[in-house]
Amino acid sequence: QSVLTQPPSASGTPGQRVTISCSGSSSNIGANTVNWYQQLPGTAPKFLIYSNYLRPSGVPDRFSGSKSGTSASLAISGLQSEDEADYYCAAWDDSLNGWVFGGGTKLTVL
Amino acid sequence: EVQLVESGGSLVKPGGSLRLSCAASGFAFSRYSMNWVRQVPGKGLEWVSTLSSNSYYIYYADSVRGRFTISRDNAKNSVDLQMNNLSAEDTAVYYCARDHSLGVPGGFDVWGQGTTVTVSS
Repeated sequence: QSVLTQPPSASGTPGQRVTISCSGSSSNIGANTVNWYQQLPGTAPKFLIYSNYLRPSGVPDRFSGSKSGTSASLAISGLQSEDEADYYCAAWDDSLNGWVFGGGTKLTVL
Repeated sequence: EVQLVESGGSLVKPGGSLRLSCAASGFAFSRYSMNWVRQVPGKGLEWVSTLSSNSYYIYYADSVRGRFTISRDNAKNSVDLQMNNLSAEDTAVYYCARDHSLGVPGGFDVWGQGTTVTVSS
């Protein structure tokens, strides 16, 4: 059971906009910023979004993040087949003194 | 090129020990906190440990505290994870990851390719 809660799956068709939610608590998302990672099949995770909504260099602006209270969301617009991957949210937890992850959301592009 | 390369993963018996290493290159290693994150095949990501740039701050997940020890050698640009009293629940791919922030924990911007640890009799 992960500390952060994500839906196990999401799907969309090419060109659509999809969102993935991430729910936490006052000790993690409520107190700290949220990061998102993309993991393509058979590869290491990739830094996708940090500090709630910032994109590292090279990440397309189709990817956006937001946070409100103890929840966060990742939005992907103009969905492409190469976006098919697992997506994880993460935040520092002040009570646990460590990083916590969501269980991951498997995105399928139909 | 910024790169992290893990090594040391192997098959080990329950109760055994293993030492993982991560070699860093292409960046000022001594300025960054470093982390270990693991992933059971087919499952999600689990943070294991964080070590600050000067080794002053050390954090462990409850699942490994008391059994795992993280350390670094800034002269050799490497970070290690000593794992003792291993159990089947420690079977996973172990990733080394750099923290992108030079201060408070900020997130993992560079990842290695991972090294596989299998605990089985």
